[in-house]
Amino acid sequence: GENVEQHPSTLSVQEGDSAVIKCTYSDSASNYFPWYKQELGKGPQLIIDIRSNVGEKKDQRIAVTLNKTAKHFSLHITETQPEDSAVYFCAASMSRDDKIIFGKGTRLHILP
Amino acid sequence: EPEVTQTPSHQVTQMGQEVILRCVPISNHLYFYWYRQILGQKVEFLVSFYNNEISEKSEIFDDQFSVERPDGSNFTLKIRSTKLEDSAMYFCASTVAGGSEQYFGPGTRLTVT
Repeated sequence: GENVEQHPSTLSVQEGDSAVIKCTYSDSASNYFPWYKQELGKGPQLIIDIRSNVGEKKDQRIAVTLNKTAKHFSLHITETQPEDSAVYFCAASMSRDDKIIFGKGTRLHILP
Repeated sequence: EPEVTQTPSHQVTQMGQEVILRCVPISNHLYFYWYRQILGQKVEFLVSFYNNEISEKSEIFDDQFSVERPDGSNFTLKIRSTKLEDSAMYFCASTVAGGSEQYFGPGTRLTVT
């Protein structure tokens, strides 16, 4: 079955700098790649997603890239702000309503 | 904004006891899911449910687990005889239709002693 690996497990960046989280997946049949943000006491919340027919997607300060050949995908957050501090999960799935296979998560700390 | 709710937020139970975790999905949603996260590990898929039946289940979802939609609003996960290794955060999720985003609840932390 699908396996998603995520790095790093913890990331600290200065406020205003960029943060990059990287993931790999194993099943070439996966074609939907969501990213979730989890704040303390809350469930995962979708922040951006990308489908396999797209190489890059951007939404304000957040961008995702996908290299389907290498089975890599990444999350880029620019101009980081204190409210970006959270745990971020990458994931893979066949489609939006199919089971989601999560990475282990990255705890992002934004330093003042 | 509509949200998925879960109760209780924390459940402590003794090994061998039955527990029922409750979820209220968003009202017009049709697909329902349970996931769990053991402390320090990945969020793992347990089961998906549509049209009053299980669509898919993982290897974790053995005979000790069951799901039910007893009425038009609740979606429950039952663990018949809890084990220490069932201790985890359990997340419910729902989506309105095929191709739509899954919305997650805040989770129930289950502690089995």
